[in-house]
Amino acid sequence: GIQVEQSPPDLILQEGANSTLRCNFSDSVNNLQWFHQNPWGQLINLFYIPSGTKQNGRLSATTVATERYSLLYISSSQTTDSGVYFCAVKGGSRLTFGEGTQLTVNP
Amino acid sequence: ETGVTQTPRHLVMGMTNKKSLKCEQHLGHNAMYWYKQSAKKPLELMFVYSLEERVENNSVPSRFSPECPNSSHLFLHLHTLQPEDSALYLCASSQEAAITGITDTQYFGPGTRLTVL
Repeated sequence: GIQVEQSPPDLILQEGANSTLRCNFSDSVNNLQWFHQNPWGQLINLFYIPSGTKQNGRLSATTVATERYSLLYISSSQTTDSGVYFCAVKGGSRLTFGEGTQLTVNP
Repeated sequence: ETGVTQTPRHLVMGMTNKKSLKCEQHLGHNAMYWYKQSAKKPLELMFVYSLEERVENNSVPSRFSPECPNSSHLFLHLHTLQPEDSALYLCASSQEAAITGITDTQYFGPGTRLTVL
């Protein structure tokens, strides 16, 4: 099956800093999503981005499908951004999740 | 209610108990999913229902039994569980295009945190 690798596995920031999270995948995909899992376990959709660039407030994402990677940018980070960020891709019938990036934003 | 709801939010059960997890989606979607998330592991897909028909069973033990009575409701019946089944169980829904099979964004419920004693 398709492999999904996320980096870095852990990231600690001071409030106000910017960061870039990366997702590499091993095969062509027709669906790529970024999720934020908050400390209470809820998964929140951030972006549906099989290709191109999207922005939503302080967050933006870019997927370069031909090179099999996606980037999630977080600018001016806030403590509420803390949690795990998952990339998930779908090349066949199922959505495959990466292991996530654990982000901690300190005040 | 909007989105995807799950009940209960927390469940503690003994190994001999029988319980059920419930998921309801209010988005008009035609596909629903059960995922398991254990500590320090990525989400694992358990079951997929499309148009109320089970289309995927990802080698899940028979002590987990899904049921999809209609496109808005999904249940996960639990019996004779083991302590290693303790995890966060997440339900999701999406709209799947019948011809292409391409799935739109998956929306997740808040999850049920299950502890098996």
